[in-house]
Amino acid sequence: SQTIHQWPATLVQPVGSPLSLECTVEGTSNPNLYWYRQAAGRGLQLLFYSVGIGQISSEVPQNLSASRPQDRQFILSSKKLLLSDSGFYLCAWSVGTGSSPLHFGNGTRLTVT
Amino acid sequence: AQRVTQPEKLLSVFKGAPVELKCNYSYSGSPELFWYVQYSRQRLQLLLRHISRESIKGFTADLNKGETSFHLKKPFAQEEDSAMYYCALFGRGYNKLIFGAGTRLAVHP
Repeated sequence: SQTIHQWPATLVQPVGSPLSLECTVEGTSNPNLYWYRQAAGRGLQLLFYSVGIGQISSEVPQNLSASRPQDRQFILSSKKLLLSDSGFYLCAWSVGTGSSPLHFGNGTRLTVT
Repeated sequence: AQRVTQPEKLLSVFKGAPVELKCNYSYSGSPELFWYVQYSRQRLQLLLRHISRESIKGFTADLNKGETSFHLKKPFAQEEDSAMYYCALFGRGYNKLIFGAGTRLAVHP
């Protein structure tokens, strides 16, 4: 069966420090991969999505970036965190057409201090 | 542009009362609409999709293209329905799933 792993579960980082959140999917090939941010009162905001290795679409021009070095690995990064980067980050995958259901990870709670 | 609006941040009802969580969308083409749910301490998961025309856990949702709405309904709410509900839109021209801000449903005994 397919599973998605996202880590770490919680992270506290100072302003200006780098960020690396990792997400891996098991049990499926060539998944569509997504990074969403869940901020209080703002719902789920799509940050990046990828339909294949090295293919990244950015939805929100910020100091965040994403990479997909392997088929089932999706990484969210930042060189210098801002206070406004605090939030709950969710990784998700789907297969087939873009309208296929998304399967979400447990999320990472990021607090920038 | 595609947009999903959930006007209510919180909906509070008593057990056995009818529930309607509102969702309106903006999209120029033929949309695919979804409802996702997140129960306490669980992952966000798909509840239902309009193309399936199914009832899940007693919930139904009908796509009304005239009113550009996809409201989620249940005739008799249960305490276990308490959760965060997100309406989502997939527009083929954009090839991505866009979520609303979410509505927290609280069902009281």
